[in-house]
Amino acid sequence: GQQLNQSPQSMFIQEGEDVSMNCTSSSIFNTWLWYKQDPGEGPVLLIALYKAGELTSNGRLTAQFGITRKDSFLNISASIPSDVGIYFCAGHGGKNYGGSQGNLIFGKGTKLSVKP
Amino acid sequence: EAQVTQNPRYLITVTGKKLTVTCSQNMNHEYMSWYRQDPGLGLRQIYYSMNVEVTDKGDVPEGYKVSRKEKRNFPLILESPSPNQTSLYFCASSFLFRGQSPLHFGNGTRLTVT
Repeated sequence: GQQLNQSPQSMFIQEGEDVSMNCTSSSIFNTWLWYKQDPGEGPVLLIALYKAGELTSNGRLTAQFGITRKDSFLNISASIPSDVGIYFCAGHGGKNYGGSQGNLIFGKGTKLSVKP
Repeated sequence: EAQVTQNPRYLITVTGKKLTVTCSQNMNHEYMSWYRQDPGLGLRQIYYSMNVEVTDKGDVPEGYKVSRKEKRNFPLILESPSPNQTSLYFCASSFLFRGQSPLHFGNGTRLTVT
């Protein structure tokens, strides 16, 4: 099936640093979603993006829907220890996407850890 | 509280012994889906359902069955589990997926098949 390329795979950060991760696709999407997964739990939605060019913030998190509709990025400013976890991007092509209508495609995740 | 509930949270079984993982949501969502999560592979969709009695294969459906007899429940059935189905499984739901209703996930079921 279709895949999203999410990078980086993992990163170590110092508390207080800004963090950036992104997802790219060879196909266009109508929706981009960013989820965070804490250990032992299911993914939780952070930000949803519905229009090309849209820039949305949620506290220290900011995400953008790329103009080409083939990419999205997530920034975390002034990271804190509770930011550690796995971040997933997900994309949906909409009703006429060349796949099934119900198929939301996930990136492989970016694992965020804090440097000791 | 609005939630997606999976049971059990942990399950250890042996090859070939049929098992069912239950999933229930209390948000009146039409859309429900099952994913498996494996290291380095992210979340891969197994099956999904757009509404009662409507199910469809995702990316990795082999070895799994689902049913959607009621709107709130979407059990995942492994008729003859094998070790390669050892994984972390997530159920998720949303309003009918038009790209504007993000998925809500359960807390996962960790399955080990020996």
